[in-house]
Amino acid sequence: GEDVEQSLFLSVREGDSSVINCTYTDSSSTYLYWYKQEPGAGLQLLTYIFSNMDMKQDQRLTVLLNKKDKHLSLRIADTQTGDSAIYFCAESRSTGANNLFFGTGTRLTVIP
Amino acid sequence: EADIYQTPRYLVIGTGKKITLECSQTMGHDKMYWYQQDPGMELHLIHYSYGVNSTEKGDLSSESTVSRIRTEHFPLTLESARPSHTSQYLCASSKQGWTEAFFGQGTRLTVV
Repeated sequence: GEDVEQSLFLSVREGDSSVINCTYTDSSSTYLYWYKQEPGAGLQLLTYIFSNMDMKQDQRLTVLLNKKDKHLSLRIADTQTGDSAIYFCAESRSTGANNLFFGTGTRLTVIP
Repeated sequence: EADIYQTPRYLVIGTGKKITLECSQTMGHDKMYWYQQDPGMELHLIHYSYGVNSTEKGDLSSESTVSRIRTEHFPLTLESARPSHTSQYLCASSKQGWTEAFFGQGTRLTVV
């Protein structure tokens, strides 16, 4: 986790866009992932991006990857109250491929 | 819907007791993992398995042990629980890489 960093909290109003940011340090990252954890639940894979891509869109979710700056972001359009959760950025690496390295998680609160 | 299950969901137990956290998946996945999620929300890999009779330690040292006698079952055992073991434990499985991984709902363990 120490190599993957996220801000801890984000609050947005319902209907606005949310942008959750993540920075990582290992240049050998192969895939980068966004997971969602709702209260009392496990982790749900939202989306992922291969390290040679710079953008991926999936319905309301847009992932942007800046490999030069080692910066990953998740944009949620038209944020709903059901989007309130903790969002984890994670990376898998070419070395130590049996591990996913997680960030600390960002707690998104959507205000009605 | 992921077919990976953890029991119990919540457990409060006294110091010194032996406990086993159960994890089962019905997807036929060879790879299985245990993560520990501390109160600051960060996740750390404590054990993983490539398949039957395979067990490896993860990046975070843990006093727990695991076994993999059957493909679908990956239990985690603490021989003598201590308050420092209080945490959430998440089990995961994957067929190949992390793009096809699923997490269980977790077991929240409290040792008093």
